Amino acid sequence: SSELTQDPAVSVALGQTVRITCQGDSLRSYYASWYQQKPGQAPVLVIYGKNNRPSGIPDRFSGSSSGNTASLTITGAQAEDEADYYCNSRDSSGSHLGVFGAGTKVTVL
Amino acid sequence: EVQLVESGGGLVKPGGSLRLSCAASGFTFSSYSMNWVRQAPGKGLEWVSSISSSSSYIHYADSMKGRFTISRDNGKNSLYLQMNSLRAEDTAVYFCAREMEYFDSSVVGRLYYFDYWGQGTLVTVSS
Repeated sequence: SSELTQDPAVSVALGQTVRITCQGDSLRSYYASWYQQKPGQAPVLVIYGKNNRPSGIPDRFSGSSSGNTASLTITGAQAEDEADYYCNSRDSSGSHLGVFGAGTKVTVL
Repeated sequence: EVQLVESGGGLVKPGGSLRLSCAASGFTFSSYSMNWVRQAPGKGLEWVSSISSSSSYIHYADSMKGRFTISRDNGKNSLYLQMNSLRAEDTAVYFCAREMEYFDSSVVGRLYYFDYWGQGTLVTVSS
């Protein structure tokens, strides 16, 4: 079982805002990172740290965190944002292992 | 340009072995920890293993411990995953990824993320 909990699926109307959350004890010690994955493709980092976007990631993607919960927000969702989104952190045991959330499928209507 | 290219995947029988490789270019490979992450068909991402820049620190997910061995050759800019005693549930696409981890004093928090990924190599375990 994953130590990071994500909602399985969310939908958003084109141009509207959607927030995806990730909960886990390790998020009290580490900032979550977020990855977008489209079918048949490798994951792509979209948010890391407090709210950092790698080069090339649109500014409609933003991140935030509070306590044991991290959030990824897409403001003004576009059709091309339809994808699976995964959060990632270290595990909460202190054993230096990695862990991913189970993923959230975002559907743009 | 950073590139990670996996190879070595294929069809193997249960109980068999396979060695995956990841060829890195476009960055100073010897300065970064590297990871393997896998994804079973239709499933989510699963962290597999990590190795520090000088191979001093190695970690495995519990389900792979004792069966998988991660290694690297900094002279060849390559990462490896030796997989033994393979099971049907090891069937997955295996990705290599570059790891970043550091403490950011400006936000008083620790960051951990994978900034570059390969395209993956498919491992199928079936009789």
